[in-house]
Order: sequence, then structure tokens, then C-alpha cells
Amino acid sequence: AQTVTQSQPEMSVQEAETVTLSCTYDTSESDYYLFWYKQPPSRQMILVIRQEAYKQQNATENRFSVNFQKAAKSFSLKISDSQLGDAAMYFCAYQGGSEKLVFGKGTKLTVNP
Amino acid sequence: ETGVTQTPRHLVMGMTNKKSLKCEQHLGHNAMYWYKQSAKKPLELMFVYNFKEQTENNSVPSRFSPECPNSSHLFLHLHTLQPEDSALYLCASSPPSRRGLYEQYFGPGTRLTVT
Repeated sequence: AQTVTQSQPEMSVQEAETVTLSCTYDTSESDYYLFWYKQPPSRQMILVIRQEAYKQQNATENRFSVNFQKAAKSFSLKISDSQLGDAAMYFCAYQGGSEKLVFGKGTKLTVNP
Repeated sequence: ETGVTQTPRHLVMGMTNKKSLKCEQHLGHNAMYWYKQSAKKPLELMFVYNFKEQTENNSVPSRFSPECPNSSHLFLHLHTLQPEDSALYLCASSPPSRRGLYEQYFGPGTRLTVT
């Protein structure tokens, strides 16, 4: 079975600085998708960024980018120019050959002014 | 807010009560999901419906009973719950698969407390 591990329960960053959240996963599949979701306090979970495993190029969405290392099964999220609104729980998720999403336990990100 | 709504947003129920959670999506998606989110645990997938047919039941106790009357509505019927069932219940939906991708959109959740 696939597993997703987020080894950092909590992280903090100064406003305008850069932070990287770690995620590793375990799978025997070769074709899959990886996601980072953001869940602000008492608000909805929203998709931040998506990576297709068959693509070597790292996905980017404005200030958010990933470092996808397929051989190492690593999928980290980099947030540049951090803003107060980036404070949230961040979840890494894996989707293989079905509709199932497998989530990590999450990383709580605090942004300090 | 995405096009996935959930009601009620908060629910307190006793162990002998029967209640239902409702999820509605306005995105034209065909797949819908129930997840359980407990403190300090990964989100747990409970049920998946695709075109109104249940395609996944992740070993969920029978005190949770899903119902999907159409592709836009999903219910979770609750009865004789236990205090450990207290959690945030999230609904999600996804459009038809594109190259195996099921991109899920989440609702705001129902915060359930079982007393």
C-alpha cells in the first residue's frame, strides 16, 4: 500500500522569506500524481499545486514550486516570499491508479510578521 | 469557497441519535468522496462514489451509511456513534478522470462531536 510521510509536524517562517516543506512517499507504481493541499484554520482545503510523475519538469504556481525527485520518492514544496495568508496546514497527497488520495499527516506552517 | 457545500457545518449528537450529513457539489463532477479528519492523523478516505455507484468502502463501520441519490448529492447517515467518531468530516468531488487524474475539490467540512 502507498504511504505518504511528512516529517515536519510544524514549521515557521518569517514574512517574505522562503520555506520548504518535506514530503516522501512509498509506491511501486510508475504512473501517479502528487499534490500539495492547503487547509487554513477553519477554512476549506484547497489545491495548491499538482505534479504528474511522468513529467520531469517541476511544477510551479506563482510563489509555490515543488522539487520532485522521482527516484528518491521525494516531493517537497517551496513557498517563496511567504505571506501571512500562507499560514495553514499543508498536506502532501498521492494518487495512483484509482480515485483514492493518500494523505500525509500534514505540516502546520506559521508565518511570523 | 469552492463549489462543494456541506451541511450542517457543526453537529453535536448523542450516541443514540440518528443524524445525516449532506454534501452538494455544483461543479458537474461525477465522483464524490467522504473523508474523516481526526487530530494528528492523516485524512482517512471512507467512501467513494462514481456515477452514483459506490466504488470504495474503506472498511468503515456500519454505523456510517452513505447514500448517493445522484451525482450532485452525497449523504452520510449516522447512527449509534461512539465518542471516537468525533472528527471533521470532509466531502470532496472530482471531474471525470483525465489520464488517470482525479483532481479533488473539497467542501468546508462538518465538525461532528459525539457526546
